[in-house]
Amino acid sequence: DAGVIQSPRHEVTEMGQEVTLRCKPISGHDYLFWYRQTMMRGLELLIYFNNNVPIDDSGMPEDRFSAKMPNASFSTLKIQPSEPRDSAVYFCASSLGTGGTYNSPLHFGNGTRLTVT
Amino acid sequence: GENVEQHPSTLSVQEGDSAVIKCTYSDSASNYFPWYKQELGKRPQLIIDIRSNVGEKKDQRIAVTLNKTAKHFSLHITETQPEDSAVYFCAARRRNYGQNFVFGPGTRLSVLP
Repeated sequence: DAGVIQSPRHEVTEMGQEVTLRCKPISGHDYLFWYRQTMMRGLELLIYFNNNVPIDDSGMPEDRFSAKMPNASFSTLKIQPSEPRDSAVYFCASSLGTGGTYNSPLHFGNGTRLTVT
Repeated sequence: GENVEQHPSTLSVQEGDSAVIKCTYSDSASNYFPWYKQELGKRPQLIIDIRSNVGEKKDQRIAVTLNKTAKHFSLHITETQPEDSAVYFCAARRRNYGQNFVFGPGTRLSVLP
């Protein structure tokens, strides 16, 4: 498997523009997570899905952020309008659900480095 | 909800020495505890994990111990090498509804040659 695939790797945009980040999870994984990483706040969970359904979006900063998962192999994170404080690395990650005796680690994509000027 | 604390925030050791990073968690429903290593500019990558039915696990120079009663777990790296320099994150995952991963704030490990 190619792992979790994110695009784009880098995004530079001007304040007020719409930004869309994309993610393809590992095939067969039923959990998908969006994290934001900054030096000040570390790894913050924004939202996660189970079987394409959003379970917890309490980490989404505000209404400017939205996320969708239309099918098991694709998810988007959208910021509209973007602001300079949104500059960060955004990671998508996927996992199997935990249960029984098997381990279910989180597999991260390579991230999207977003810069909003 | 779950809260994971991690100490120290930075750690410097001489090459060949051991390094220990400690984490505590608050939710007794958490049953899975992975550790991730993140090199500069790269994604976090799993280096070792442990489930709550196991007290210790070892993989070459890396080991993790878990104390369920005290709700803490630790990462041990022996014979450290310069390539061990990175940020290390611990995490906890609960077994019930809401199987989120909660991460500690990270430890920046520097191995000095």
